[in-house]
Amino acid sequence: AQKITQTQPGMFVQEKEAVTLDCTYDTSDPSYGLFWYKQPSSGEMIFLIYQGSYDQQNATEGRYSLNFQKARKSANLVISASQLGDSAMYFCAMREVGGKLIFGQGTELSVKP
Amino acid sequence: DAGVTQSPTHLIKTRGQQVTLRCSPKSGHDTVSWYQQALGQGPQFIFQYYEEEERQRGNFPDRFSGHQFPNYSSELNVNALLLGDSALYLCASGSSLFRGPYNEQFFGPGTRLTVL
Repeated sequence: AQKITQTQPGMFVQEKEAVTLDCTYDTSDPSYGLFWYKQPSSGEMIFLIYQGSYDQQNATEGRYSLNFQKARKSANLVISASQLGDSAMYFCAMREVGGKLIFGQGTELSVKP
Repeated sequence: DAGVTQSPTHLIKTRGQQVTLRCSPKSGHDTVSWYQQALGQGPQFIFQYYEEEERQRGNFPDRFSGHQFPNYSSELNVNALLLGDSALYLCASGSSLFRGPYNEQFFGPGTRLTVL
């Protein structure tokens, strides 16, 4: 069965520093996609970055990058130069072709000034 | 271009009642998925609608049902509410044109349901 695991319930980072949020996944399907979402206290899910299972290079979107290690089945999110507005819940999710999104438990990131 | 909209924003019901939540997808999208997010948890997939039919369903009882209208908007109905149904209900829309794993789901702001 497909599964997403986020082992860090909470993380702290100093403003302007980089932080890595961990995500491991399990699937038997060779074709899948990995997503990271940010969820502020308002509740909306904001798409951050996507990595396809066949993508050769790690995805990057501005200050967000995804450290994709396929053999280890990990897809860690790296946020560079953290800002106070980055404080939120972060969810890793996976989708197989045509399928539903499967979410992890989330990591609460707090950015300290 | 309006994004995904959901109504109502908040809702309070009592056990045993029935509730209907509504979702309008992003312009150009034709699929709608519903997720339940309990406090402190990640969202759980309820079901997905496409061409007015339920296409995929998660591990939720039959008390949870839905509908999609010709304009692609959707409703989520929950009957015989339980205390455990208290959650944030998220609607996400996408396009059936994208068949691969990359089919970005645009989420609405959610409806917070409290069951007393």
